[in-house]
Amino acid sequence: KAGVTQTPRYLIKTRGQQVTLSCSPISGHRSVSWYQQTPGQGLQFLFEYFSETQRNKGNFPGRFSGRQFSNSRSEMNVSTLELGDSALYLCASSLDSGLAYEQFFGPGTRLTVL
Amino acid sequence: TQLLEQSPQFLSIQEGENLTVYCNSSSVFSSLQWYRQEPGEGPVLLVTVVTGGEVKKLKRLTFQFGDARKDSSLHITAAQPGDTGLYLCAGVQADSWGKLQFGAGTQVVVTP
Repeated sequence: KAGVTQTPRYLIKTRGQQVTLSCSPISGHRSVSWYQQTPGQGLQFLFEYFSETQRNKGNFPGRFSGRQFSNSRSEMNVSTLELGDSALYLCASSLDSGLAYEQFFGPGTRLTVL
Repeated sequence: TQLLEQSPQFLSIQEGENLTVYCNSSSVFSSLQWYRQEPGEGPVLLVTVVTGGEVKKLKRLTFQFGDARKDSSLHITAAQPGDTGLYLCAGVQADSWGKLQFGAGTQVVVTP
């Protein structure tokens, strides 16, 4: 079974631009989550989607948004990029069987904002 | 403030030594996971524990979930250079199912 895939792997943008990141979950997984990872803050939860609905949200400004499609694929968008948005953005999917919430991560998208 | 506190933040040991990483919280978790992450890659799931007092062994790694489901530990026996990485604990609470909360991580370096 293929793992979680994220595209692109690397991205360089300038301040003020917007960016869209893509995530394809493991087949059969209906929950997709997004995280921002920086050296200073560690892994910070952005949001989680389950069956096309945002089920959980972290404490990030409205510039960060996401969506999930009917095939469980997900996209994350960041508008009006700031220097501080430079980070590794990780996507994770979960089967969410209800017994334990295990997540499987993709390799991440490294975003650099200049 | 992190809901899950990991200690120590950094651990440097020689090959063959043992080590223990701790993950503590004042909150109860429905399940808790341990991940290992290498630079530039996503975290890789090592184990999931769901029952208070549960102990799981994965080769030289032993994971324990506290009786009250508020804390966990990871013990590595006879560490090898391949064990080098960032170890992360993460948990989900019953009232925020689907929101996995991570500790800050413990960087482990095992030198030959």
